[in-house]
Amino acid sequence: AQSVSQHNHHVILSEAASLELGCNYSYGGTVNLFWYVQYPGQHLQLLLKYFSGDPLVKGIKGFEAEFIKSKFSFNLRKPSVQWSDTAEYFCAVKGPAGKSTFGDGTTLTVKP
Amino acid sequence: NAGVTQTPKFRVLKTGQSMTLLCAQDMNHEYMYWYRQDPGMGLRLIHYSVGEGTTAKGEVPDGYNVSRLKKQNFLLGLESAAPSQTSVYFCASRWDSNSPLHFGNGTRLTVT
Repeated sequence: AQSVSQHNHHVILSEAASLELGCNYSYGGTVNLFWYVQYPGQHLQLLLKYFSGDPLVKGIKGFEAEFIKSKFSFNLRKPSVQWSDTAEYFCAVKGPAGKSTFGDGTTLTVKP
Repeated sequence: NAGVTQTPKFRVLKTGQSMTLLCAQDMNHEYMYWYRQDPGMGLRLIHYSVGEGTTAKGEVPDGYNVSRLKKQNFLLGLESAAPSQTSVYFCASRWDSNSPLHFGNGTRLTVT
């Protein structure tokens, strides 16, 4: 069965600090990987996705993620966070029949 | 473009009562999903559907039933609500098994 592990449950940063959120997955097949963001009081929305090709993918709002197959990782990064990035971030892996397995989420708090 | 619409937004039930959550999408998506979101546990898949007239169990299906009589609607039923079903429920849909999920705004359910 596929699984996703997010190592950081709560991250607190000051504005302009760099961000890296860890995500490791276990899945034996071809992976499609996603990062979703959930702003306070809102639904989840897609940040970026990886299907194949360049392992460094760029998403919205300056976020990027790197797929490292040998490490089963798909870490999310942003060089300089803003207060508006305060949200919960979920890593997900898509398995058979389109079922996505989500990590437990990482709450990011950015202090102004 | 409404996307994915969930009704109701909030509901309080007493133990043993029943209710149905409605999810409607106007994007002609084949795949639809019901997740529950609990603090520290990410999103867990309850049931899903890969097309009109089909349903399948997810990770935590017990106590829930679903129906997909029309392609655009995916209903989640609780026959006899229990306090353990207090949660935020998200419906999601996707065009095919590889495309990103589109989420509704969620239903906050409290069972007393």
